[in-house]
Amino acid sequence: QVQLVQSGAEVKKPGSSVKVSCKASGGTFSSNTISWVRQAPGQGLEWMGYIIPVFATPNYAQKFQGRVTITADESTSTAYMELSSLRSEDTAVYYCARGPYSGTYYGWFDPWGQGTLVTVSS
Amino acid sequence: QSALTQPASVSGSPGQSITISCTGTSSDVGDYNYVSWYQHHPGKAPKLMIYEVSNRPSGVSTRFSGSKSGNTASLTISGLQAEDEANYYCSSYTSSSHVLFGGGTKLTVL
Repeated sequence: QVQLVQSGAEVKKPGSSVKVSCKASGGTFSSNTISWVRQAPGQGLEWMGYIIPVFATPNYAQKFQGRVTITADESTSTAYMELSSLRSEDTAVYYCARGPYSGTYYGWFDPWGQGTLVTVSS
Repeated sequence: QSALTQPASVSGSPGQSITISCTGTSSDVGDYNYVSWYQHHPGKAPKLMIYEVSNRPSGVSTRFSGSKSGNTASLTISGLQAEDEANYYCSSYTSSSHVLFGGGTKLTVL
């Protein structure tokens, strides 16, 4: 049974960066995908991007291009999402989620991490 | 790209069936069979209920089913139960190799 465990809540100042980790256990890490999705207060789910750890190739949503960096460390089965130039609108719960990969990114996610609340406030 | 279109809310009584629609375009829902549905209880992680339009993951009740016609996908929940009350999101793979989510639908069990 694959489990994804994320790092704890963060409070950041506007203009700074945050790096959230997502450690996988109980299954194959490298040959699947890890995607990042966020949910701002009172809003819906928003896809940010994904990485295929075995290829270390990320793909980002247009909205976050230039501000987000998704990486993966196969040796520790951990993925990371770093978001820079934070603004108040980035206050959200950030989720990592695993997905299948067999030459195609299918874009569905199971399981999900427990979520990490990032608060951006001066 | 705009989010996929879902009704903001639906409701039903225990035992009834409800359907949630998810409308996209020919660049996402209409062109790929990679539509999925998630159940989200506030404060918890989203849970995959349907993947690739109509497949149920192991452990998901057979009361949940998915379908697609043209640019619109649907999630049907039969035999509504109190624990089905949650927010439901659809998502679709897109021609940009990205993923779009719907705006979410709040299901109320009366």
